[in-house]
Amino acid sequence: IQMTQSPSTLSASVGDRVTITCRASQNIDKWLAWYQQKPGQAPKLLIYMVSSFESGVPSRFSGSGSGTEFTLTISGLQPDDSATYYCQQYESYPLTFGGGTTVEIK
Amino acid sequence: EVQLVESGGGLVQPGGSLRLSCAIPELIASSKFTSWVRQAPGKGPEWVAVIYSSGEVRYADSAKGRFTISRDNSKNTLGLQMNSLRPEDSAVYYCAADARNLMFKYWGQGTLVTVSS
Repeated sequence: IQMTQSPSTLSASVGDRVTITCRASQNIDKWLAWYQQKPGQAPKLLIYMVSSFESGVPSRFSGSGSGTEFTLTISGLQPDDSATYYCQQYESYPLTFGGGTTVEIK
Repeated sequence: EVQLVESGGGLVQPGGSLRLSCAIPELIASSKFTSWVRQAPGKGPEWVAVIYSSGEVRYADSAKGRFTISRDNSKNTLGLQMNSLRPEDSAVYYCAADARNLMFKYWGQGTLVTVSS
């Protein structure tokens, strides 16, 4: 299953609402996770099963979607949110990640 | 903070072998799913292999026939034997685990594998 993210890069200001899209090449139902990765660090799980928060994740992050189209929204962008975000499907093998979206702070 | 610890990376020639190891903290040693995920410089993560607590294993096509994932429950360690290495296998290799499903909550810091002559 191919995972396609858009945009590949976005630049936004502190306080902005930011939306990242992830499209699956076939139906993955609700088996989608989102990760945040900062340079030199391992990815950090933010959201799983489309919209379930991992513990400790700020409430400004939210996930939605079903089937083949999914979104990660950051409501009120903060400087600490500067990172690359990846979606990952775990509906079937091989497990696959999207190409990533780099969020830059203006 | 719970963190896995990888070791065993390094420089190896094409066609060579390398064995990676990952120490799994006692707190999450019962995780049902433990995986290896790699990330080439400037690229996104790529799942390599998973081993279930039952012993069932699955591999990415790029790893089938060359890599072997293993788990020693008595020592809480995860292993990845990599044979017939290719330059395109060069990446940071992470071990990752989750108790719930095939996403990755717990990660290590990664170990760098470079395949080059």
